[in-house]
Amino acid sequence: AQSVTQLDSHVSVSEGTPVLLRCNYSSSYSPSLFWYVQHPNKGLQLLLKYTSAATLVKGINGFEAEFKKSETSFHLTKPSAHMSDAAEYFCVVSESGTSYGKLTFGQGTILTVHP
Amino acid sequence: GAGVSQSPRYKVTKRGQDVALRCDPISGHVSLYWYRQALGQGPEFLTYFNYEAQQDKSGLPNDRFSAERPEGSISTLTIQRTEQRDSAMYRCASSWGASGVLSSYNEQFFGPGTRLTVL
Repeated sequence: AQSVTQLDSHVSVSEGTPVLLRCNYSSSYSPSLFWYVQHPNKGLQLLLKYTSAATLVKGINGFEAEFKKSETSFHLTKPSAHMSDAAEYFCVVSESGTSYGKLTFGQGTILTVHP
Repeated sequence: GAGVSQSPRYKVTKRGQDVALRCDPISGHVSLYWYRQALGQGPEFLTYFNYEAQQDKSGLPNDRFSAERPEGSISTLTIQRTEQRDSAMYRCASSWGASGVLSSYNEQFFGPGTRLTVL
């Protein structure tokens, strides 16, 4: 069985400061990991994905995440927050095998960016 | 091109009524998924299809919930005898690749969702 734990339900940063959203996963197989973002009244958008290639993954809008198997973590970072980054972020895991494609979402982290 | 569309965007119904939620995937996408998102939670998997075949319905909460995709394109999620606990955002997603096949083209594209409120 696969599961995801997002360690912070809310994160608040000032514009121009770094962003760190933490995620730990549990998976029986080789996982694929994703970060999705959800802006108010909009659909879910894929930020980045890890699928067993490079462990440091770069996504859109300056975000990146590092897959650390030994720590079962996939934390999302950005060097400098922008006001437009304010949204809810979901860490997501998908297992290879017959259930591939079935996504398991974390609880979400709401990112607030202060001017 | 057009993304995933869902209708209606908002549905208010009375307890005990049946509702049908529609998903129109991106043209040519093989796989289609349904998720349910309660307020303050992440989406939870309900079911998915490869073409017209329902591959996994392990996430459907009970037998009041059913889904179909008869021609391998549009899908309908039906909830019979709705209850207040069914109130949630219902999200549909589609992907180019068939699930169960290791592929880098399995990115799921999500629709805007249908907000269901059961009074």
